[in-house]
Amino acid sequence: ETGVTQSPTHLIKTRGQQVTLRCSSQSGHNTVSWYQQALGQGPQFIFQYYREEENGRGNFPPRFSGLQFPNYSSELNVNALELDDSALYLCAIGTIEETQYFGPGTRLLVL
Amino acid sequence: DAKTTQPTSMDCAEGRAANLPCNHSTISGNEYVYWYRQIHSQGPQYIIHGLKNNETNEMASLIITEDRKSSTLILPHATLRDTAVYYCIVLTVTGNQFYFGTGTSLTVIP
Repeated sequence: ETGVTQSPTHLIKTRGQQVTLRCSSQSGHNTVSWYQQALGQGPQFIFQYYREEENGRGNFPPRFSGLQFPNYSSELNVNALELDDSALYLCAIGTIEETQYFGPGTRLLVL
Repeated sequence: DAKTTQPTSMDCAEGRAANLPCNHSTISGNEYVYWYRQIHSQGPQYIIHGLKNNETNEMASLIITEDRKSSTLILPHATLRDTAVYYCIVLTVTGNQFYFGTGTSLTVIP
């Protein structure tokens, strides 16, 4: 058990809608990263937040945005959903220069 | 870019050692080798990491070649619960933005 929780576990949306996914941890940390994993693929890095500021971004458009809160919880927001956004979304918590621990993920289906 | 190369799939008999290779020929001096595994539809699970020396923990051993261009993850006594996709990742010491490849799908056979 990593102590990382994500909500919801599953979600169905339609094209054009917006979605907010959440991540929280029982332990102290100062980084949270988000990944997208399409079926049959490895996770793809979306972005990382460090001390509530974005600290690196992968090849994802601006409609993917995030927040990190003072209590170290985090949100991933995706606007104008597209069919290709259907995937498992993973968050990972850790500290700079140390191992990251992943949550169980949120499975998003866009119809 | 993932910067690692792993076999697509491997089989291992239950109770035997599973040796999973990884090539990382372009690794830099300040990059660690990390191993994670992912059991179907779950989040990736940390296994082990190392820089230059071989490492061992309660889950596995990591053998890194002297030139650091390749490594091997060893599960000493594979069980059916070790069936998973195993990812080898290189990571700079100042960053923790993991770049996953497609990994190795390990099947442990009874």
